Amino acid sequence: SQQGEEDPQALSIQEGENATMNCSYKTSINNLQWYRQNSGRGLVHLILIRSNEREKHSGRLRVTLDTSKKSSSLLITASRAADTASYFCATDPLMNYGGSQGNLIFGKGTKLSVKP
Amino acid sequence: KAGVTQTPRYLIKTRGQQVTLSCSPISGHRSVSWYQQTPGQGLQFLFEYFSETQRNKGNFPGRFSGRQFSNSRSEMNVSTLELGDSALYLCASSFGRSNEQFFGPGTRLTVL
Repeated sequence: SQQGEEDPQALSIQEGENATMNCSYKTSINNLQWYRQNSGRGLVHLILIRSNEREKHSGRLRVTLDTSKKSSSLLITASRAADTASYFCATDPLMNYGGSQGNLIFGKGTKLSVKP
Repeated sequence: KAGVTQTPRYLIKTRGQQVTLSCSPISGHRSVSWYQQTPGQGLQFLFEYFSETQRNKGNFPGRFSGRQFSNSRSEMNVSTLELGDSALYLCASSFGRSNEQFFGPGTRLTVL
């Protein structure tokens, strides 16, 4: 079952602009991870943010997490044509005993198109 | 460090056949998970292995099975293939639970 819901489903911007993608989820989590996928290839891990973290940066990426609203956002600054891809959020659900379920639950993704 | 490798990259099979896909995790990673990706259902979890034991299983029929070897390499098998099994099968490895999962390039299975 899908836990994460990305918004928007598709986003088209010009090179140099910022891109913001949002993700909402349903259950308590250990962490939330963002991935990129180019044209049906494998997933590339971008960033992991743990449930006790609110914000994380990696290069041009900024991820925020609001566990009270069960939502996260991924911001890509100064986008490039090479950023064109699908972006997925994936949650690591928290089990009742406090551990990890061991598998990630993915949303349907946001298709980002960056025009040169 | 070499990434996750999957073989073969592409497969074409006919209905009723069976198929075996292979995954070699990143060196030192003992957890291997498998996912199926289709346009309609998105990314769906199949199973997770750790130290040769299946720790978790998704909601797939018994035709889907897997195993993990002592060197952490994993295989998944799909028997009696159906048209709906056409998908990209992705393998991911991680050092442990609640860590980053690193994905391989996937195996594109087409069932005719």
